[in-house]
Amino acid sequence: GESVGLHLPTLSVQEGDNSIINCAYSNSASDYFIWYKQESGKGPQFIIDIRSNMDKRQGQRVTVLLNKTVKHLSLQIAATQPGDSAVYFCAENPSDMRFGAGTRLTVKP
Amino acid sequence: NAGVTQTPKFQVLKTGQSMTLQCAQDMNHEYMSWYRQDPGMGLRLIHYSVGAGITDQGEVPNGYNVSRSTTEDFPLRLLSAAPSQTSVYFCASSYTVGPGSKWTGELFFGEGSRLTVL
Repeated sequence: GESVGLHLPTLSVQEGDNSIINCAYSNSASDYFIWYKQESGKGPQFIIDIRSNMDKRQGQRVTVLLNKTVKHLSLQIAATQPGDSAVYFCAENPSDMRFGAGTRLTVKP
Repeated sequence: NAGVTQTPKFQVLKTGQSMTLQCAQDMNHEYMSWYRQDPGMGLRLIHYSVGAGITDQGEVPNGYNVSRSTTEDFPLRLLSAAPSQTSVYFCASSYTVGPGSKWTGELFFGEGSRLTVL
């Protein structure tokens, strides 16, 4: 079946730098995507979403970019802070939400 | 509001035992779902429900049963536990999904239930 996946399992950045987490999807019918953040020992928390009729959406310090041509999604975190250290998941389609394996972001002081 | 509440947080079972993981939400969400999370596998959908009396299978339903008698509760039952069911289980809920309904898409997750089957 089609699946959501991530390019890199781990990402380490310096505090204050920008982070970019990537996600590839294969279901061309997907029209809705969400990024979640999961801190150790907790459930995932919503960060930002984007619909397929958009190619960019911005939140507080976070930006999601959608490239439907290559089926690629990215999450950009500006001025990364220690509190951003977590596993980040992308997910597609609300009625049967499928998650990628996740990328672990580590922020070095 | 408590949000999504899962119990128990930890459970150890022997192979063949049965148990129920409880999930309750107080946000009047129509949509509820169960995921399991294994190392390197991400979150995999077990079962979901779009409203009371309606359930459907997800990606990995075998070995699990669900029912939805009320909007608030969505228990997950393991009838005969197997070591392969050792995992962390997450319950999630969301606003109504369906034709004509505004779908926000955001899933609200519980804190998880860690199950070990020996």
